[in-house]
Amino acid sequence: KAGVTQTPRYLIKTRGQQVTLSCSPISGHRSVSWYQQTPGQGLQFLFEYFSETQRNKGNFPGRFSGRQFSNSRSEMNVSTLELGDSALYLCASSGIIQETQYFGPGTRLLVL
Amino acid sequence: GENVEQHPSTLSVQEGDSAVIKCTYSDSASNYFPWYKQELGKGPQLIIDIRSNVGEKKDQRIAVTLNKTAKHFSLHITETQPEDSAVYFCAASMGYGGSQGNLIFGKGTKLSVKP
Repeated sequence: KAGVTQTPRYLIKTRGQQVTLSCSPISGHRSVSWYQQTPGQGLQFLFEYFSETQRNKGNFPGRFSGRQFSNSRSEMNVSTLELGDSALYLCASSGIIQETQYFGPGTRLLVL
Repeated sequence: GENVEQHPSTLSVQEGDSAVIKCTYSDSASNYFPWYKQELGKGPQLIIDIRSNVGEKKDQRIAVTLNKTAKHFSLHITETQPEDSAVYFCAASMGYGGSQGNLIFGKGTKLSVKP
């Protein structure tokens, strides 16, 4: 099976802009979770989607949002970018809700 | 909420030696404990996981032990090889098989295996 894929792999934006990241889960997986990884804060949970519904949300401001499509692909959006949003954004998929999570390679976002 | 502490933050061993990484968690409701390996430029890769109803699990050179009473779990790598060099993360989740399964991660351990 192909693994979790994320696009784009690298992104450079300026403060105030918005960005959309995409994640395609492993075929047959219906749960997608998003995490932010930074050197200072480590890996932090953003949100989780299952069958197009957000099931869990971490402690991030409302500028961070996401959605899931009927084919289980997911997108996350960050509006009004801040310098502190520079991070590696990781997507993970699992077969059913709350099973083993498999991570994609991530999207590295740099905000200037 | 759940908090996971991981030690040490860096670990250097000689090839062939064993490496041990320890994690503690705060919420006794946690029931799932995976370990991930992250190489430079890549996403975390699951290497082993354990559920709260199991005390120990082994997969070739890698083993994980869980002490629910003390709320800590450990990763053991035997006969280390240079390709084991990476950052290792422990994590805890309260929702395996349930409705709240977001992973809470430790800060990571950078393992260096010297040839």
